[in-house]
Amino acid sequence: DVKVTQSSRYLVKRTGEKVFLECVQDMDHENMFWYRQDPGLGLRLIYFSYDVKMKEKGDIPEGYSVSREKKERFSLILESASTNQTSMYLCASSLGGWQVRETQYFGPGTRLLVL
Amino acid sequence: DQQVKQNSPSLSVQEGRISILNCDYTNSMFDYFLWYKKYPAEGPTFLISISSIKDKNEDGRFTVFLNKSAKHLSLHIVPSQPGDSAVYFCAASLDNQGGKLIFGQGTELSVKP
Repeated sequence: DVKVTQSSRYLVKRTGEKVFLECVQDMDHENMFWYRQDPGLGLRLIYFSYDVKMKEKGDIPEGYSVSREKKERFSLILESASTNQTSMYLCASSLGGWQVRETQYFGPGTRLLVL
Repeated sequence: DQQVKQNSPSLSVQEGRISILNCDYTNSMFDYFLWYKKYPAEGPTFLISISSIKDKNEDGRFTVFLNKSAKHLSLHIVPSQPGDSAVYFCAASLDNQGGKLIFGQGTELSVKP
């Protein structure tokens, strides 16, 4: 069974704080993704990575950065948290590389509240 | 600019009847489509997919239909069960995009006993 874990289920942070969200997958997947889910907007892709140290911007990368130093770990960083970054953050992984479409497996999500 | 749209935020169906969830897309280059199901406090889980070379894919109670000319796909659940109550997301992808998916807004299905 594929397992994608996220470091926290709930987080409360202050405006201006630097926030780290961690994601780990245990199936040796090449691709990893960060999404945010907001009511009425569905899931929107923030960043994704198809290899260690590789990253690609998604549809809404502003205010975020990512780090992938090891294959199994993909971190999302909010450089200076703002209230409009209050959201549910979902990490996902998939097996293949750049040219392969595989099912994405999601973690349970981190609900972030920025005050 | 929403490339994948689910125009019904919610749907309520009686147990045993058919549930039909709809999804429209604007980019004719999309060539692979998926449906995900999400329970509260859990991540989405893959349900069923369809390639653009097909117009139908069936897996048990779940069938996805693709109408390329109308840029429309639908998910049929027959018969619906209370455990199917969840939010359903459709998603689309393009070739050579690193597995990137474009998701719709989601439809919350409620199946009443």
